[in-house]
Amino acid sequence: DIVMTQSPDSLAVSLGERATINCKSSQSVLYSSDSKNYLAWYQQKPGQPPKLLIYWASTRESGVPDRFSGSGSGTDFSLTISSLQAEDVAVYYCQQYYTTPLTFGGGTKVEIK
Amino acid sequence: QVQLQESGPGLVEPSQTLSLTCTVSGGSINSAGFFWSWIRQHPGKGLDWIGYIYYSGSTYYSPSLKSRLTISVDTTKNEFSLKLRSVTAADTAVYYCARSRGSSGIPIWFDLWGQGTLVTVSS
Repeated sequence: DIVMTQSPDSLAVSLGERATINCKSSQSVLYSSDSKNYLAWYQQKPGQPPKLLIYWASTRESGVPDRFSGSGSGTDFSLTISSLQAEDVAVYYCQQYYTTPLTFGGGTKVEIK
Repeated sequence: QVQLQESGPGLVEPSQTLSLTCTVSGGSINSAGFFWSWIRQHPGKGLDWIGYIYYSGSTYYSPSLKSRLTISVDTTKNEFSLKLRSVTAADTAVYYCARSRGSSGIPIWFDLWGQGTLVTVSS
């Protein structure tokens, strides 16, 4: 299984400041035949299901604000919220879909400082 | 638009079978190219993918649950189901159904989720 490790477990950021979440995979999720990174990011607010934010490591899902961006390749990835808003308080998960079983990171809780 | 809704008992006794159904509304479960998955989340924990059923009926189960798990589809009712046998307290979790498209024969990201249903295993 590909193990996804997120860091930090939690972070507190002031409103309007940048938040960066890291995700590391135990093996590369870059598929050589199409040069795509098979990684997605989700946001989960309390009592709600996860919501897809990013796929192919850096492509924003339709309707997702452009303050959310994804970067990275191979085994190291990041999700950045460029200017934290109150509604961004949530737990964020990365997920690899390079191979089965599909696996998620342990989550990073983002709070307001 | 397409929506997913989980249903089933919220309480299951240890050693019994946990049975859940995910009803797809606003679209056909038979639509080509879609994978239908179950994902669970233990209280206060992260997300664990349980397995999928493809629109054609083929399945994949997480190795950790494979011996106890059956996922099936009923296209006449536009729903798919999960049966997890011989449950213990460790199976207490919120269970989500979710949809994804595929790439190279496996599901990719999950673009649509049900609201989730809490199943507690207890006597």
